[in-house]
Amino acid sequence: GAVVSQHPSWVICKSGTSVKIECRSLDFQATTMFWYRQFPKQSLMLMATSNEGSKATYEQGVEKDKFLINHASLTLSTLTVTSAHPEDSSFYICSAALTAFNQPQHFGDGTRLSIL
Amino acid sequence: GESVGLHLPTLSVQEGDNSIINCAYSNSASDYFIWYKQESGKGPQFIIDIRSNMDKRQGQRVTVLLNKTVKHLSLQIAATQPGDSAVYFCAENIGQAGTALIFGKGTTLSVSS
Repeated sequence: GAVVSQHPSWVICKSGTSVKIECRSLDFQATTMFWYRQFPKQSLMLMATSNEGSKATYEQGVEKDKFLINHASLTLSTLTVTSAHPEDSSFYICSAALTAFNQPQHFGDGTRLSIL
Repeated sequence: GESVGLHLPTLSVQEGDNSIINCAYSNSASDYFIWYKQESGKGPQFIIDIRSNMDKRQGQRVTVLLNKTVKHLSLQIAATQPGDSAVYFCAENIGQAGTALIFGKGTTLSVSS
């Protein structure tokens, strides 16, 4: 089945650091990838939609200058949390969708980000 | 707020029982629904999906029922096992390629042996 790989799985860093998270579709091409954030005991909240070769579409309330998304190829999207602060600590999850209609999205295993 | 709601945030069952997890959605334009299972520290794992032109779909030990009249979705797990313990989310979208999923709040299923 379709596999999405996310790296790193866990990051601990100091406040002010920028952190890059990679999301790769391993066995299919994904024109569109999605980035979600999940706080403890809560649901997944969509942050942005990442389209290959174009600018990402951000959800309301998500700072585009804070969360930089790059989707340079059909198999790789990156999320960079710039100048991270403790309130950015969360579980970040990406997903990728096949280009056909009504196909399930496949998720990476998430990145646990802890900002000290 | 979220257009997909999910209540009974926790469900505890005995091993071997059947489990039913419910979900209500509010967007009548949604035409594709998915159930995901999320184990601690991992990303959501696809369980089963259903399109709006269907009322029922069965997989291995799982059945999804869709009632469009009342905008209700349910996941039935037969002969629940301890390995089924996880958080279950329903998700919806309008089915257009490239659109994001909207997730419900999640139900934590605990299976005791």
